Amino acid sequence: AQKITQTQPGMFVQEKEAVTLDCTYDTSDPSYGLFWYKQPSSGEMIFLIYQGSYDQQNATEGRYSLNFQKARKSANLVISASQLGDSAMYFCAMREVSGYALNFGKGTSLLVTP
Amino acid sequence: GAGVSQTPSNKVTEKGKYVELRCDPISGHTALYWYRQSLGQGPEFLIYFQGTGAADDSGLPNDRFFAVRPEGSVSTLKIQRTERGDSAVYLCASSPGGGPMRVETQYFGPGTRLLVL
Repeated sequence: AQKITQTQPGMFVQEKEAVTLDCTYDTSDPSYGLFWYKQPSSGEMIFLIYQGSYDQQNATEGRYSLNFQKARKSANLVISASQLGDSAMYFCAMREVSGYALNFGKGTSLLVTP
Repeated sequence: GAGVSQTPSNKVTEKGKYVELRCDPISGHTALYWYRQSLGQGPEFLIYFQGTGAADDSGLPNDRFFAVRPEGSVSTLKIQRTERGDSAVYLCASSPGGGPMRVETQYFGPGTRLLVL
């Protein structure tokens, strides 16, 4: 069964606007971590933000914030004040504390337009 | 400090040949992971090393794939009798390695793009 679902294959946003990328997950493990990575056309996976399942507050890292809704099993990434350099693939991933592997979604392609 | 490095960045080989892909993790990281990313997909886990030992190789697709990490630092992913379906980007990641009950951020290298003709 798919553990991470990203339902938006592609998204457009205008420069300086905010955008939300959706991610839902499925696990029975009470302890887990959620991650977002950015993959530009160069191919490298760049870590953006992390949310632990027991964290009380939503994670923030600069222009990135994670809208964590545990009961709904969603972990949406919000990018504020989009920049042209934000154009890339974005992957949501989860690691359950009982395992070692990151389980990735299929990704969302974000295009920021001038 | 230096991030995860991988060599070669690109590898073209013929069906049936043997290839080796190298990963040099972040200095001091004891945990090392290999993933494979096919076109249009997210990365898929292959194998995890803690130190020199493969703690979890459940993602290796078959016995043509093998990985080693003899000194607990650099790792080599080895693919025997390559097939066209092995064409993908092979990503390596490392993390500090605090143990199985800690969820650590994994830092990725730039990947090796393997094309099997």
